Amino acid sequence: EAQVTQNPRYLITVTGKKLTVTCSQNMNHEYMSWYRQDPGLGLRQIYYSMNVEVTDKGDVPEGYKVSRKEKRNFPLILESPSPNQTSLYFCASSAQGENTIYFGEGSWLTVV
Amino acid sequence: GDSVTQMEGPVTLSEEAFLTINCTYTATGYPSLFWYVQYPGEGLQLLLKATKADDKGSNKGFEATYRKETTSFHLEKGSVQVSDSAVYFCALSDQGNAGKSTFGDGTTLTVKP
Repeated sequence: EAQVTQNPRYLITVTGKKLTVTCSQNMNHEYMSWYRQDPGLGLRQIYYSMNVEVTDKGDVPEGYKVSRKEKRNFPLILESPSPNQTSLYFCASSAQGENTIYFGEGSWLTVV
Repeated sequence: GDSVTQMEGPVTLSEEAFLTINCTYTATGYPSLFWYVQYPGEGLQLLLKATKADDKGSNKGFEATYRKETTSFHLEKGSVQVSDSAVYFCALSDQGNAGKSTFGDGTTLTVKP
């Protein structure tokens, strides 16, 4: 089954404690992205990657890092999380030349 | 830069009512347009799309027509069901490049029996 898998789905952490949200897709897609969803602000892109070792900033990259060492994986790293990074995070992938985005189920992150 | 503006919600309708959710966009070139739906507790999934002017996307009774002259892509359904309750997102992307997409703020629809 074609899917985008993110982990963890739910996490409560403390300010400053580094965390990583993993994302994996099994569709051999070139493009992968991270979004955050906040009430009243819709879906905002954090980072995206067009292929292995190629990443670029989205609209709200501050406080986040990403890496794309393998085509299937695109982890999101919060080096020093802060409460304003409490949000619902979505990983997504799409194929080069295609229009449709496939989303993971989301990761609820709370930073206290 | 590109932007998408959606009708503000929340929207509450009775079952079998007619639904319209407005969406307008600003973009350079000729983007592809999408509606995504997010059911409670789930990720977003593609509802329908249109890739060029005057195209009509349709799925599950929902329709939207790509109107270049009015830069709009309004979502419509003739008779909504309780199961249509969800958050609906309008989005655009460059042709053939969904890697860099722009989303609207989302519109929450609640359908009551």
